[in-house]
Amino acid sequence: DAGVIQSPRHEVTEMGQEVTLRCKPISGHDYLFWYRQTMMRGLELLIYFNNNVPIDDSGMPEDRFSAKMPNASFSTLKIQPSEPRDSAVYFCASTSRVPNEQFFGPGTRLTVL
Amino acid sequence: RKEVEQDPGPFNVPEGATVAFNCTYSNSASQSFFWYRQDCRKEPKLLMSVYSSGNEDGRFTAQLNRASQYISLLIRDSKLSDSATYLCVVNTLTGGFKTIFGAGTRLFVKA
Repeated sequence: DAGVIQSPRHEVTEMGQEVTLRCKPISGHDYLFWYRQTMMRGLELLIYFNNNVPIDDSGMPEDRFSAKMPNASFSTLKIQPSEPRDSAVYFCASTSRVPNEQFFGPGTRLTVL
Repeated sequence: RKEVEQDPGPFNVPEGATVAFNCTYSNSASQSFFWYRQDCRKEPKLLMSVYSSGNEDGRFTAQLNRASQYISLLIRDSKLSDSATYLCVVNTLTGGFKTIFGAGTRLFVKA
């Protein structure tokens, strides 16, 4: 079975540019999570969706970040404009129900110059 | 105080050693607990769930102590391949779902 799929795997961009990260959850999973991981702050939950509806976005750092889930098989995390401090690994995870275990995608390593 | 705290690392142990990690949590209403393993430059992967009755999987044993609000992970007969970062996860449903990952503990197993 395919796991969580993320793209791109690596992204290098310049400050001020728009960045879009993509995620395809495991089929049948109703919950989708976006995380950011840095050495300083560890793994932080940014936002999660249930049945394509955003439930808790309290972890989204600021208005430059936005996330959408137009259907059950696709979600995006957008940063506009990007800043060097956004450099991190962004993970997407999914699960069939809470509070069950989550399954992570391989992550997108973002570097903002 | 952080909601979920883990032992500071890194732990450096020889092959064959037994090593234990602890993770404390502050919300007594927390309901589910997990240990994840994360290899360098990889995603976190589920290692095992944690139950009040304890959970054993080969060389790994996980325990939950609700009274003292901590979970533990014991690794016996450490292998070189156990070198990784171990993350505890605490989930709460009361008042809306909340999931918190610990900062992780790095383990280095040396020959």
